[in-house]
Amino acid sequence: ETGVTQSPTHLIKTRGQQVTLRCSSQSGHNTVSWYQQALGQGPQFIFQYYREEENGRGNFPPRFSGLQFPNYSSELNVNALELDDSALYLCASSLGRPLIDTQYFGPGTRLTVL
Amino acid sequence: QKEVEQDPGPLSVPEGAIVSLNCTYSNSAFQYFMWYRQYSRKGPELLMYTYSSGNKEDGRFTAQVDKSSKYISLFIRDSQPSDSATYLCAMKDNYGQNFVFGPGTRLSVLP
Repeated sequence: ETGVTQSPTHLIKTRGQQVTLRCSSQSGHNTVSWYQQALGQGPQFIFQYYREEENGRGNFPPRFSGLQFPNYSSELNVNALELDDSALYLCASSLGRPLIDTQYFGPGTRLTVL
Repeated sequence: QKEVEQDPGPLSVPEGAIVSLNCTYSNSAFQYFMWYRQYSRKGPELLMYTYSSGNKEDGRFTAQVDKSSKYISLFIRDSQPSDSATYLCAMKDNYGQNFVFGPGTRLSVLP
């Protein structure tokens, strides 16, 4: 077990709705990254937060947004859900700059959009 | 051309076999190389981490990085049915914030 937890485990939403996913980082880690993993694909980078500020973003539209809190837990928010947003959403925590060499993943939240 | 390529498999081997998993990449700036194991419907689990070129061994697992060929490998000795999973390679340069993943290779070790 990595110590990274995510909630909820599963979620079903309908197109157009909004969703919030949560992540609690491994103790001592101040950086969290979010990834989207479609079925049969590798994880795709959404964004990263370091000490409560966005520290990099992948090729995802602005309806994907996030927050990191002072205790380094994090949220991923997705507005105006689309069918293609159905995927496993993973958060990964790491020690952060300048030591960002490895990441430890949580179990993921499986989102289904109908 | 995708930044990181990996044969998706599936790869089926008998128990006890030596397994070779590989990734190729196009970005010569990558310096950090990781192998993750992912069981069905679970998050990826870090197996091996290597910085720059060279070999690293941990129990039954050996990771190799050949930066001149832009090629990395993971070898699993004495494979077990519990090794059946998807294996993901991931890599990063010195400055980027994110890791780039391959699509994963699905491995089945048959008893």
